[in-house]
Amino acid sequence: DIQMTQSPPSLSASLGDKVTITCQASQNINKYIAWYQQKPGKAPRLLIRYTSTLESGTPSRFSGSGSGRDYSFSISNVESEDIASYYCLQYVNLPRTFGGGTKLELK
Amino acid sequence: QVTLKESGPGMLQPSKTLSLTCSFSGFSLSTSGMVVSWIRQPSGKSLEWLAAIDWDGDKYYNPSLKSRLTVSKNTSNTQVFLKITSVDIADTATYYCARDTTGIPTPFDYWGQGVMVTVSS
Repeated sequence: DIQMTQSPPSLSASLGDKVTITCQASQNINKYIAWYQQKPGKAPRLLIRYTSTLESGTPSRFSGSGSGRDYSFSISNVESEDIASYYCLQYVNLPRTFGGGTKLELK
Repeated sequence: QVTLKESGPGMLQPSKTLSLTCSFSGFSLSTSGMVVSWIRQPSGKSLEWLAAIDWDGDKYYNPSLKSRLTVSKNTSNTQVFLKITSVDIADTATYYCARDTTGIPTPFDYWGQGVMVTVSS
C-alpha cells in the first residue's frame, strides 16, 4: 500500500492568510493526487485532481503542486468558508489511500 | 445530475454482519469504466477506502479487510452493496459510497451523504 503522510494535522490561520498543506507519498505517485475539503457532517468535496487541476467551481485561491513523492496544497487569502478539514488522496494504485487530514481553524 | 445515497442499519451488535446499500442515479454502472467504491470514516479520523466494483463486475478490496468484505451490485446496475462480517467497535464509522472510474486513474468525484453506523452491544 502507498502511505500518504500529510502535515500539519492542524493549522490556525487568520482571514486573508496563505496556508500550505503537504502530502508525501511512500513512493512515486506520478502526480495522481487529489485534494478534498470536508466540512462537519458532510461528505468530502473534490477540489483538485491530478496535482493541480481545479474542479469546476473550485475558487482560484486554491492551488496544488508537486511531483514524484512530494505534493502541496495551498489556499491564498483564506476566507471564512474555507474553515474545514482537508485530505489528500493518491489514486495511482489500489488500495486508494488518504492522508491523515489537516484541520484548518481560524486564529 | 449524479447522486448517490447510502443506507444501512444505523446500529448493530458486535459479531453481526453489516449490510449497506448505495443507491445512485445520473450514471449507469453498466457504462464501460464506471466504478462505485465504498469508503469509511470513523468520527474525527481520516478516510479509508474499503472496496469497489466496476462496470464489468470485477471486485476490488482493501487487503487489510478483504476477508470480511463482500461487494456486489444489482442486475439493473442502480445499486451497489457492501457486507462486512464479524463487525466490532472499530467498525463504527460513517460509510460513504463514491463514483470512480477504471482506465485512466481518476479520483472519487461524486460522493453520497454518508450513513453512520454504530457497533455496540
